Amino acid sequence: QITLKESGPTLVKPTQTLTLTCAFSGFSFNDGSVSVAWVRQPPEKALEWLAVVYWDDDRRYSPSLKNRLTITKDTSKNLVVLIMTNMDPVDTATYYCAHSADSGWAFDSWGQGALVTVSS
Amino acid sequence: SYDLTQPPSLSVSPGQTVSIPCSGYELVNKYVCWYQKKPGQSPVLVIHQDTKRPSGIPERFSGSTSGDTATLTISGTQAIDEADYYCQAWDSNILWVFGGGTKLTVL
Repeated sequence: QITLKESGPTLVKPTQTLTLTCAFSGFSFNDGSVSVAWVRQPPEKALEWLAVVYWDDDRRYSPSLKNRLTITKDTSKNLVVLIMTNMDPVDTATYYCAHSADSGWAFDSWGQGALVTVSS
Repeated sequence: SYDLTQPPSLSVSPGQTVSIPCSGYELVNKYVCWYQKKPGQSPVLVIHQDTKRPSGIPERFSGSTSGDTATLTISGTQAIDEADYYCQAWDSNILWVFGGGTKLTVL
């Protein structure tokens, strides 16, 4: 059974840097053909893909946020970390990490989500 | 940038069939999937690779893609199907793109 869980601050101030951690179980990057991504959903708005890290450490970012995002993985600890710089109130959202492997690049398992509010 | 367009809302009567469209340029050439999202819950994958249902997803959910349009169809809609539905497309150029979501009301 695959599980993912996001953790991080619930409140950040404008211009600060957000660091979110995704701890997962039930799979490993050593399995091959695995990726973990971050997706967010602002209140009353649509889902938005942010970043992905693949089993081979390749990393891709949303073009609109590329300059502010860094995604890393720790294969030995089953962790994926997302760093987002220069936070703004429009970045207030629920942030999800999600797993993709054998479903044609679909996200077949999701974490519970972490609500992050950006406010002074 | 690549855009996926969905109607903001649809309604359906219980027991009826509803089709939720998602349009995007040459969508047939991309991997398309659909998620169900209920308030306060994480998204659930209901269709992947255009037509495939993950284990545990009821047979009343089906998907298809032709040309520029992908469609999620729910047959015999139940009250528990009331949710937001998001299409998502992938290819090696656009990577992951979500549609704007469709709020499905069962009434």
